Amino acid sequence: EAQVTQNPRYLITVTGKKLTVTCSQNMNHEYMSWYRQDPGLGLRQIYYSMNVEVTDKGDVPEGYKVSRKEKRNFPLILESPSPNQTSLYFCASSAAEVLAEDEQFFGPGTRLTVL
Amino acid sequence: SQKIEQNSEALNIQEGKTATLTCNYTNYSPAYLQWYRQDPGRGPVFLLLIRENEKEKRKERLKVTFDTTLKQSLFHITASQPADSATYLCAPTGSSNTGKLIFGQGTTLQVKP
Repeated sequence: EAQVTQNPRYLITVTGKKLTVTCSQNMNHEYMSWYRQDPGLGLRQIYYSMNVEVTDKGDVPEGYKVSRKEKRNFPLILESPSPNQTSLYFCASSAAEVLAEDEQFFGPGTRLTVL
Repeated sequence: SQKIEQNSEALNIQEGKTATLTCNYTNYSPAYLQWYRQDPGRGPVFLLLIRENEKEKRKERLKVTFDTTLKQSLFHITASQPADSATYLCAPTGSSNTGKLIFGQGTTLQVKP
């Protein structure tokens, strides 16, 4: 089954404790992206990757890191999480050579709480 | 800066009626406009894409229009059903091949039986 998977699905952590949220897709997509979703602010892009070893900032990259060493994986790293990073996170992928021309497939989401 | 506006208030309609959701954008001229559906706690699911040279696009009970003069897209669900209740997101996007995609905040639709 074609899908985007994220782990963990739920995470409660404390301020400053490094964490990684994994994202994997089995559709051989070149494009992958991370979003966070907060009430009243909608879905905001954190980072994206057009291909292996190619990453770039979205609208809200502060406090996050990403890497794209393999085509299928795009982990999101929070080196020193803070309470304002408490949010619902989504990973997405797309086959599109021109992103706007094709759909994105979203993962199930990771609900992160930073105490 | 680019701005996208969707009705923040929930839209409540009766089953069988047509639901119409609005997506307005300012300060840019998107070449494409995507619509997604999102159920609570789940990831968005792609519904339709319309290009700037397409005035209207249909898929089953869904219809999308794209008016580049008004800078607006309308999303219609005809013969609405309670199962259509969800939040609908629009994403107007430019033609340059950057990886950035900006979403509207979404409009929540409630279809009552």
